[in-house]
Amino acid sequence: EVQLLESGGGLVQPGESLRLSCEASGFTFSSSVMSWVRQAPGKGLEWVSTTSGVSGNTYYAGSVKGRFIISRDNSKNTLYLQMNSLRAEDTAVYYCAKRVPAPAYYFDFWGQGTQVTVSS
Amino acid sequence: QTVVTQEPSFSVSPGETFTLTCGLSSGSVSTSYYPSWYQQTPGQAPRTLIYSTNTRSSGVPDRFSGSILGNKAALTITGAQADDESNYYCMLYMGSGISVFGGGTKLTVL
Repeated sequence: EVQLLESGGGLVQPGESLRLSCEASGFTFSSSVMSWVRQAPGKGLEWVSTTSGVSGNTYYAGSVKGRFIISRDNSKNTLYLQMNSLRAEDTAVYYCAKRVPAPAYYFDFWGQGTQVTVSS
Repeated sequence: QTVVTQEPSFSVSPGETFTLTCGLSSGSVSTSYYPSWYQQTPGQAPRTLIYSTNTRSSGVPDRFSGSILGNKAALTITGAQADDESNYYCMLYMGSGISVFGGGTKLTVL
């Protein structure tokens, strides 16, 4: 059974940093494409970042590029999102999602999410 | 910047068949965008319904179907049920690792 368990969310002040983790199980993590998707309060889903399993390539939405860093530790089956220079508009539930690679490009499994609140 | 468009809200009656759409602010949606659809109820993680335009995810009833209608991706639900009341999101793959979600459609089953 595929499981994705996010952690690391919390309340931080604007300008501060936070690192989210997503522990994966039930599939071959090292070769899987993994992503972060967020949802601001009362708003829709927003793709944040993706990392490929094999090449290690990373991709970012324009809203977070230069501030967020996606990474993974395949020995720990864990995905990370380092969030720097946080802003109020980064307040959201952050979901870890497993993405099916080419030629499908969709999310087949989702975690339950972790809440990030940026407020002074 | 490319915007993926969806109906903000949609109301149907039980038993009705209806279609939600997913378009682009500029241009047409084709299968090359690998449209996918997700269902989400408040407080829950999204659930994958449809991928690659028209393939149902495991366990999704055949009441849900995907297609391209004109210049948009479409999600058709046959025989609306009360528990279909949810938010529905489409997602398009833009290439170069970038995915974009639509703003979502809030479906009400009256």
